[in-house]
Amino acid sequence: DIQMTQSPSSLSASVGDRVSITCQASQDISNSLNWYQQKPGKAPKLLIYDASTLETGVPSRFSGSGSGTDFTFTISSLQPEDIATYYCQQSDNLLFTFGPGTKVDIK
Amino acid sequence: EMQLVQSGAEVKKPGESLKISCKGSGYSFTTYWIGWVRQMPGKGLEWMGIIYPDDSDTRYSPSFQGQVTISADKSISTAYLQWSTLKASDTAMYYCARTSMRDAFDVWGQGTMVTVSS
Repeated sequence: DIQMTQSPSSLSASVGDRVSITCQASQDISNSLNWYQQKPGKAPKLLIYDASTLETGVPSRFSGSGSGTDFTFTISSLQPEDIATYYCQQSDNLLFTFGPGTKVDIK
Repeated sequence: EMQLVQSGAEVKKPGESLKISCKGSGYSFTTYWIGWVRQMPGKGLEWMGIIYPDDSDTRYSPSFQGQVTISADKSISTAYLQWSTLKASDTAMYYCARTSMRDAFDVWGQGTMVTVSS
């Protein structure tokens, strides 16, 4: 199985701050990496697929980068509505793994 | 509008069986894989498995192989997740999600809460 790690597990930042989350795969997954946002009590929402492609309708303050084993998710200017848990997820020949999640809140 | 609508919350006793559903609409149900994801209370997302409704080709996470059964009835655009013998540790929210052509879960159901308690 491909294992995913994320860091940090949680962070607290001010409105307007730049926030970054890293995700690491246990083996090379090329760019098969997706990012999701989950707000409390809600289903997850796809934000970024193929490591860096923004899903339709997602604000441009969200971005993703990386390939191989190391990936980064960035919120360029944190907004109050971005309070959520963020998950990375890899896909490898129709076998999927989620990262453990990063909880983001406002300082 | 593309959507997945899941069956309602369930409360069951240990040892009972259960089948929950996920009905797709607004897109060609048979040509996208449907995945199931578990979220235990206060915990993260765990991928359980996926099914291709057109031919019922199914893949399971090793963690869930033999623990659950995923099936689909393409005639009614519905996927299912079932247990033959529930345990208290099956208490969780279960989501179904459509797998896009880029292997991302792009459309999600609203979730089905399953509570297993004596």
